[in-house]
Amino acid sequence: GAGVSQSPSNKVTEKGKDVELRCDPISGHTALYWYRQSLGQGLEFLIYFQGNSAPDKSGLPSDRFSAERTGGSVSTLTIQRTQQEDSAVYLCASSRQGGNQPQHFGDGTRLSIL
Amino acid sequence: QKEVEQDPGPLSVPEGAIVSLNCTYSNSAFQYFMWYRQYSRKGPELLMYTYSSGNKEDGRFTAQVDKSSKYISLFIRDSQPSDSATYLCAMSLGQGGSNYKLTFGKGTLLTVNP
Repeated sequence: GAGVSQSPSNKVTEKGKDVELRCDPISGHTALYWYRQSLGQGLEFLIYFQGNSAPDKSGLPSDRFSAERTGGSVSTLTIQRTQQEDSAVYLCASSRQGGNQPQHFGDGTRLSIL
Repeated sequence: QKEVEQDPGPLSVPEGAIVSLNCTYSNSAFQYFMWYRQYSRKGPELLMYTYSSGNKEDGRFTAQVDKSSKYISLFIRDSQPSDSATYLCAMSLGQGGSNYKLTFGKGTLLTVNP
């Protein structure tokens, strides 16, 4: 199991609750990315980490979304006060370095907001 | 106009057929081109990774990039039922700038019938 690991695989929650999604990248990969995949929108970039810093947060849809990465490894994506439009699959990817390095994806967290 | 256009299909072919999947794009600054395969309820799996124009072959898969036409293709020879999946094209900028950010097509759903 040397791939990108995400948890939980599925999450169902009520509108207005906070959720936390976790990503464990491939060992040794310094760059980490979050994407969102929703019906009709395809895959959209959310945020990019190089080490523990996030030089690009431009894809986060609103200030209800935040992410952090600690120890240059595990990352968490937090969505506060969830809305129904947040329902989507949240995908994490990692690569050896930033820039034009091949990105490898986990299987995602399927988030459903009731 | 979307940055990356991809026919969503669905595309249905008999086993053994040659499959052609395509994307067009509008941003001439894209330099790196990828094809991902995504099985149902799984994450995207990197199939092909190419730089600039030209062809790249890997087993039954051939990727072609024509930058002058802003057109990329993926050919699958001797298609198998196990090739049934959604195929996503993706691309990124060259050196500098936000070259870590992948821009995806919406994917083409392929079914290979035994």
